[in-house]
Amino acid sequence: EAQVTQNPRYLITVTGKKLTVTCSQNMNHEYMSWYRQDPGLGLRQIYYSMNVEVTDKGDVPEGYKVSRKEKRNFPLILESPSPNQTSLYFCASGVGTSNQPQHFGDGTRLSIL
Amino acid sequence: DAKTTQPNSMESNEEEPVHLPCNHSTISGTDYIHWYRQLPSQGPEYVIHGLTSNVNNRMASLAIAEDRKSSTLILHRATLRDAAVYYCILRDVRNAGNNRKLIWGLGTSLAVNP
Repeated sequence: EAQVTQNPRYLITVTGKKLTVTCSQNMNHEYMSWYRQDPGLGLRQIYYSMNVEVTDKGDVPEGYKVSRKEKRNFPLILESPSPNQTSLYFCASGVGTSNQPQHFGDGTRLSIL
Repeated sequence: DAKTTQPNSMESNEEEPVHLPCNHSTISGTDYIHWYRQLPSQGPEYVIHGLTSNVNNRMASLAIAEDRKSSTLILHRATLRDAAVYYCILRDVRNAGNNRKLIWGLGTSLAVNP
């Protein structure tokens, strides 16, 4: 079954404690992306990757890092989380052409205290 | 990127058709119209997309106005499982680089009454 898998689904942590949210897709997609969703703001792109070792900033990259060492994995790293990063995070993947659908994970709800 | 306008919320009854409108008056000739939906506690899910002609798939139909300034997502028989937020998104096929980014509005929250 085609899937984008995120872990963990829920996390409560404290300010400054480094965390990683993993994302894995089994569709051999070149493109992967991270979004955050906040009430009243919709989904906003954090980082994206066009292929292995190719990543770039989205609209709200501050405070986040990503890496793309393998095609299937695209982890989101918060080196020093802060309360304003409390949000619902989604990983997405897609094929090479812009009109193919993107596939989303079920989300990771992060609470930074 | 061209913007879309959707009603904040709509309501329907189970088993009845639902027409979800989207206005995109500044659409360009190379913009495709995409629809996604987000069920409660889930990630967004692709529904349908089209350019000029009406489109049908197993989930829904997409009716596109002749001038392309508006479109309507049609759910032929709403079920309780169709209660979700529906997003209408324009994607320009000409964009190089990060052409896969989806630009999200706030969508239409659809309630389905039993």
